Amino acid sequence: DSGVTQTPKHLITATGQRVTLRCSPRSGDLSVYWYQQSLDQGLQFLIQYYNGEERAKGNILERFSAQQFPDLHSELNLSSLELGDSALYFCASGGGDQPQHFGDGTRLSIL
Amino acid sequence: AQTVTQSQPEMSVQEAETVTLSCTYDTSESDYYLFWYKQPPSRQMILVIRQEAYKQQNATENRFSVNFQKAAKSFSLKISDSQLGDAAMYFCAYTSKGANSKLTFGKGITLSVRP
Repeated sequence: DSGVTQTPKHLITATGQRVTLRCSPRSGDLSVYWYQQSLDQGLQFLIQYYNGEERAKGNILERFSAQQFPDLHSELNLSSLELGDSALYFCASGGGDQPQHFGDGTRLSIL
Repeated sequence: AQTVTQSQPEMSVQEAETVTLSCTYDTSESDYYLFWYKQPPSRQMILVIRQEAYKQQNATENRFSVNFQKAAKSFSLKISDSQLGDAAMYFCAYTSKGANSKLTFGKGITLSVRP
């Protein structure tokens, strides 16, 4: 058990819809990272939050947004979903001088 | 920009034997971390081992060890006494030191273990 909690484990939805993925970091970790794993793009960094503030952005689409709340949990919002957004979305916490530990991921399927 | 290359898409090893997974990376930084993560069929991402670039000693975790060649920008993972549970996809990853410590991953290598 990594200590990072992601919900839900699976999401099935249709094109054009909007979904929210949730992540609770390990106790004591201030940073949350979001990654997307797809067959064609591999594992890609999306965005990082540190103690409520956006710290770094990667290959995140404009249709995607994230935030980190005062209790340090984070949400990744995906809107106007397309078939190509089907992927496994990971949240990780830690970083800096500590390794990142990953949640179990949310598998998103767009029909 | 940093890049991580895993050129072997698949490898196979006999149970109880030793296997080495290769990884090369490119960076202009002098201090950084390198990792190997394991992703079994359950799709979890499990940290296997970490190496700090400034440490000359190769990291070891039980049956897992690395061969870190900083000048050659090479970072291979050796798995000794391979077990059936080692069958998984293995990702090599790089991160800079500091606040923006995103992970950059290689494409991964699928390791199968023959009984």
